[in-house]
Amino acid sequence: NAGVTQTPKFQVLKTGQSMTLQCAQDMNHEYMSWYRQDPGMGLRLIHYSVGAGITDQGEVPNGYNVSRSTTEDFPLRLLSAAPSQTSVYFCASSLGTKNTEAFFGQGTRLTVV
Amino acid sequence: DAKTTQPPSMDCAEGRAANLPCNHSTISGNEYVYWYRQIHSQGPQYIIHGLKNNETNEMASLIITEDRKSSTLILPHATLRDTAVYYCIVRVRTGNQFYFGTGTSLTVIP
Repeated sequence: NAGVTQTPKFQVLKTGQSMTLQCAQDMNHEYMSWYRQDPGMGLRLIHYSVGAGITDQGEVPNGYNVSRSTTEDFPLRLLSAAPSQTSVYFCASSLGTKNTEAFFGQGTRLTVV
Repeated sequence: DAKTTQPPSMDCAEGRAANLPCNHSTISGNEYVYWYRQIHSQGPQYIIHGLKNNETNEMASLIITEDRKSSTLILPHATLRDTAVYYCIVRVRTGNQFYFGTGTSLTVIP
């Protein structure tokens, strides 16, 4: 199993550009989520999904869209990038409604100039 | 989800036990205590979790007070590779969202 795979690892965007951060897991996990981590801070939840076709907002959802068309994939879309979205983005997945641990990807480092 | 309070930093001598405290005084009955760590800027790594009983695995032990308002993560024999930021998180049992604080930066000293 590859676990949770995020692509790309690094990205530089210009203000106003859009892009999609990819996240895929091969563990058949129902739950997936996206976090951002700013320097010196903990992770903050952006959006999450409890299964294919179901998504919901976390703490800091503004400026981001998500969809969950398959169990394996949970892409995060930046509609119009802003410098405030410069951050490291982490995707996580976990098995389901039972109390289980979450597995995190290695992150995407995004810089918006 | 309940908030947690952790000291911002701690040091520990290599080979000694590292005891990382966490206060979660507003925890409710159905919220679990989770511990994760983050080495450099890698993705967080699961360590251990518990509800009210003490727990132990190959990485660490988790001691939860009887009133559940605080807990301690114990790394029994800290190594240099345990240098990381450690996050204490409380989470509702049926939810799978984690709300991270700023954690404790543990430095293991040779």
